[in-house]
Amino acid sequence: DQQVKQNSPSLSVQEGRISILNCDYTNSMFDYFLWYKKYPAEGPTFLISISSIKDKNEDGRFTVFLNKSAKHLSLHIVPSQPGDSAVYFCAASSTGTASKLTFGTGTRLQVTL
Amino acid sequence: DGGITQSPKYLFRKEGQNVTLSCEQNLNHDAMYWYRQDPGQGLRLIYYSQIVNDFQKGDIAEGYSVSREKKESFPLTVTSAQKNPTAFYLCASSIQGGDNSPLHFGNGTRLTVT
Repeated sequence: DQQVKQNSPSLSVQEGRISILNCDYTNSMFDYFLWYKKYPAEGPTFLISISSIKDKNEDGRFTVFLNKSAKHLSLHIVPSQPGDSAVYFCAASSTGTASKLTFGTGTRLQVTL
Repeated sequence: DGGITQSPKYLFRKEGQNVTLSCEQNLNHDAMYWYRQDPGQGLRLIYYSQIVNDFQKGDIAEGYSVSREKKESFPLTVTSAQKNPTAFYLCASSIQGGDNSPLHFGNGTRLTVT
């Protein structure tokens, strides 16, 4: 049972444009959400997080939006840069679970020139 | 530089052999985790430890064992009982075992069992 879903395995965006990566979850107990970026043969790197008490969190070019009623979150990257090309994982956890994360399957972002 | 070191980067073993993957961190983090990544799948939690000398099973603990004798170290043993051991293994740590602490990951060990 996939509790965190990233339905788009890949996404291609032109440099300078906006990249939007989507994530859906089914477990209503999730209250903390994170995005990680991963290059091949490396570990994931933490990008940005959001608590369920918020609906938006911004950090430089990266913004995460949370829609609790739809159980949906998205990561916006503006403007997209070639160095953003990587696999992006959405992850979620619940209070009381010691930061154990449940991950989505990832979306491969390709930023083209 | 502070970080998480996983060694070796690539590991090859014959079926039926136990193998131990190393994970060391110098971030002074209390909690440590082991995840496994398979192609087309998200990361799945094998074991985690919130404090020295204590650890709990994750979602896919069968065929694996861990120890946490030191704060800095959290080795994972893949036993012969693990049916599909070939995978990319990732170790992570967080500041504390409490909630809402982002995990910091090592660069992984790719294990191939033939």
